[in-house]
Amino acid sequence: RKEVEQDPGPFNVPEGATVAFNCTYSNSASQSFFWYRQDCRKEPKLLMSVYSSGNEDGRFTAQLNRASQYISLLIRDSKLSDSATYLCVVNSGNTGKLIFGQGTTLQVKP
Amino acid sequence: GAGVSQSPSNKVTEKGKDVELRCDPISGHTALYWYRQRLGQGLEFLIYFQGNSAPDKSGLPSDRFSAERTGESVSTLTIQRTQQEDSAVYLCASSWDSAKTQYFGPGTRLLVL
Repeated sequence: RKEVEQDPGPFNVPEGATVAFNCTYSNSASQSFFWYRQDCRKEPKLLMSVYSSGNEDGRFTAQLNRASQYISLLIRDSKLSDSATYLCVVNSGNTGKLIFGQGTTLQVKP
Repeated sequence: GAGVSQSPSNKVTEKGKDVELRCDPISGHTALYWYRQRLGQGLEFLIYFQGNSAPDKSGLPSDRFSAERTGESVSTLTIQRTQQEDSAVYLCASSWDSAKTQYFGPGTRLLVL
C-alpha cells in the first residue's frame, strides 16, 4: 500500500462548480500535511498547509481527519485557472521526509 | 529572495554517458530533496538530505544514481551510464527544516537518446 493515495481523476467540472478531493495516508504518526498544485510542465507549488482544525484560504478549504487518516481539499466557485494537478503531501511517520501523492487532475471547463 | 535554482535547465545526452545535475537551495534551508518525474507521472522520491545527518537514499532506483551535498548548500545528482528510461524531469526542493514546506526549483529536463 502506498503511503499517500489519491484518486488520479481527471475531475472535469464546469466553471463555478464546487469540487472536493480526498487523500488517504497510511502512517498514523504523520504530523505534517500539505496540498500542492502543479501546472502542466511546471514545478509543484505550495497551495496550502493543512491544520488539525481545518483551514480556509479564499475559495479553498482543507480538512484533516486523523481518525480516518485522510485529508481533503474543497474548491468553491471553480475558475478556469484552477485547472491543474493537486498533490497531497504528508510527512513519513516521525521522519522529516515528505511523501507526495500521485496527484488528482482537475479540468475546469467554460 | 532567490528561490531554488537548478542547472542545466535542459540536458540531452547519449545512452551510456554520465550526467551531473546541480541544485542550489534557498540559503539557510537545511533540508534538500531530489525527485524524478516522468512524463505524465507523479513525483518519485529519490534522496533526502537533512543537515549533517546521513542522507535517506531509499528512493535511488539503482547504483547508477548518486547524490552529494556540501554542508547545507549545493547538491549534485549524478547518473552514470545513462539509459533511455532515465529520461525525465529531475526536481530539487529545499525547506528550512524537515517536514516543513518545500520550495521547488524549475527542474532539469533530461533526455537520453
